[in-house]
Amino acid sequence: AQSVTQLGSHVSVSEGALVLLRCNYSSSVPPYLFWYVQYPNQGLQLLLKYTSAATLVKGINGFEAEFKKSETSFHLTKPSAHMSDAAEYFCAVSEMDSSYKLIFGSGTRLLVRP
Amino acid sequence: EAGVVQSPRYKIIEKKQPVAFWCNPISGHNTLYWYLQNLGQGPELLIRYENEEAVDDSQLPKDRFSAERLKGVDSTLKIQPAELGDSAVYLCASSRTAGNTIYFGEGSWLTVV
Repeated sequence: AQSVTQLGSHVSVSEGALVLLRCNYSSSVPPYLFWYVQYPNQGLQLLLKYTSAATLVKGINGFEAEFKKSETSFHLTKPSAHMSDAAEYFCAVSEMDSSYKLIFGSGTRLLVRP
Repeated sequence: EAGVVQSPRYKIIEKKQPVAFWCNPISGHNTLYWYLQNLGQGPELLIRYENEEAVDDSQLPKDRFSAERLKGVDSTLKIQPAELGDSAVYLCASSRTAGNTIYFGEGSWLTVV
């Protein structure tokens, strides 16, 4: 069965510092992987997705993530945090079989200190 | 292009009362999803439609929850009767077809008192 683990329910960084949000997955077949962002009182917005092409995926707002099969990881990074990056971030996995079901992690809340 | 539209955005009801949520997907999107998001957790799939057919409703609590997508466009999710534990965010999402990128609405925030 697929699952997603996000290490750290809260991550706090200073403005301008590196952002690193961790995601590990388990899947019996090569997965598709996603990062979504949720701002307060809003729905989820797709940041980026991995669909078995390039292992380094660039997304919106300067975020990127690297698929590492050997580590079963898909960590999200941004070189320099901005105050507007404060939000909840969700990693999700889908095996793209007939279910096309997205399995989400429990989320990581990013806090950005001035 | 308009996104996924949901209403109402916020709803407060007393327990045992019914409630309904409406969703209009992105134009041309054949696949529609309803997700449940409890506080501090990631969304969980309740039901997926391909056009008007519910192809995955295994996680929908059918004793009190029901959903419909009669003409393959708009969808309604109903809870009757509501329980305190139903307080959550109900997210509607759509994709062009199953397997394509899923786009989410802003959610309907339910509080049962």
